[in-house]
Amino acid sequence: EPEVTQTPSHQVTQMGQEVILRCVPISNHLYFYWYRQILGQKVEFLVSFYNNEISEKSEIFDDQFSVERPDGSNFTLKIRSTKLEDSAMYFCASRQEDTQYFGPGTRLTVL
Amino acid sequence: QKEVEQNSGPLSVPEGAIASLNCTYSDRVSQSFFWYRQYSGKSPELIMSIYSNGDKEDGRFTAQLNKASQYVSLLIRDSQPSDSATYLCAVILRGRGSQGNLIFGKGTKLSVKP
Repeated sequence: EPEVTQTPSHQVTQMGQEVILRCVPISNHLYFYWYRQILGQKVEFLVSFYNNEISEKSEIFDDQFSVERPDGSNFTLKIRSTKLEDSAMYFCASRQEDTQYFGPGTRLTVL
Repeated sequence: QKEVEQNSGPLSVPEGAIASLNCTYSDRVSQSFFWYRQYSGKSPELIMSIYSNGDKEDGRFTAQLNKASQYVSLLIRDSQPSDSATYLCAVILRGRGSQGNLIFGKGTKLSVKP
């Protein structure tokens, strides 16, 4: 069964460094999403992406964040200058009709 | 403010019992409703979706939706220890600006005791 994949599973970085989180959505899906979940808190929407552009973003998704679909399969989230409060699980999801399928997540730790 | 509220629990039930999980939402524009299961350190896994008022059954799971009361619930029959997880309620809004992103509640932690 097709599934969303994410790499790396765990990323440790120093505050102020740039990180790129990678996702491969399910191949015939057209809508892609990034969510994050700070430890012990709820899953929060960051951004949605459709037809090679951002379709909606939340207040969390400020100028430090960007997304890209550099080729036909990858979907990336870049954080330009990480802060301590960016430490969280980051989930990628792709959607078919109304159902979103989540990847396993990347745990980002900012030191 | 669009909110999804859940009792954080923990909800503890004995093996074989019915677990009842509840969720309320604040925005009447919400039209699609989902229950996800999340094991510790893992990603959300879809259990059920429901769109119309009433009940929807899938195996041991039944989702119930009451749009007038802005309430959605999940019943798990014959609960098993493997059902022990956090259950996330999520909604999709409709209308201008909505691109189908999910709004999650904080989740209810369920513990099924053998």
